[in-house]
Amino acid sequence: GAGVSQSPSNKVTEKGKDVELRCDPISGHTALYWYRQSLGQGLEFLIYFQGNSAPDKSGLPSDRFSAERTGGSVSTLTIQRTQQEDSAVYLCASSAPGTTEAFFGQGTRLTVV
Amino acid sequence: QKEVEQDPGPLSVPEGAIVSLNCTYSNSAFQYFMWYRQYSRKGPELLMYTYSSGNKEDGRFTAQVDKSSKYISLFIRDSQPSDSATYLCAAERRALTFGSGTRLQVQP
Repeated sequence: GAGVSQSPSNKVTEKGKDVELRCDPISGHTALYWYRQSLGQGLEFLIYFQGNSAPDKSGLPSDRFSAERTGGSVSTLTIQRTQQEDSAVYLCASSAPGTTEAFFGQGTRLTVV
Repeated sequence: QKEVEQDPGPLSVPEGAIVSLNCTYSNSAFQYFMWYRQYSRKGPELLMYTYSSGNKEDGRFTAQVDKSSKYISLFIRDSQPSDSATYLCAAERRALTFGSGTRLQVQP
């Protein structure tokens, strides 16, 4: 596709439910990143995939958060047993091999009620 | 202490002013430095990136990195109301580490 695509664009869920957020990176991009942005805050790193290497999960805030990337392309971020503090915009980015320029999607706005 | 520090602003300037946005970082391992612009309810958009110390110019925008003082700057010349956005600095080692963003308002 022309850019990084994220779905859904908005998600409202009840506390305690599980949610899945999807990211479709730019075709050919080998690196994929997930970030979280709370209201008025900067971007908090969550997880980083690079090709077939083991992902860097050092930013995941708790074991309720997990992510996978299937076939080196689409990624899914899963949040189990959502809490109100999980409310934020979840942003995905990808970058081409050998580059550091990361291109972002429009994000998924998650609201936990 | 956060690895990348940025003054959150807000910063309000008149149209045509020169804007200076700044960040400091603490990790000497950072090699690439970037500036992103983010409009309200949109994803961040890459503006400029630089490697190591020095200046890089692109139209009205100049990015500057001083590795000796661990200081990153973005200058915007002849600022326009359309430049009103949040500007995020970022430093890269594996994944990008972002500052908290500076909200800029350019008044017509």
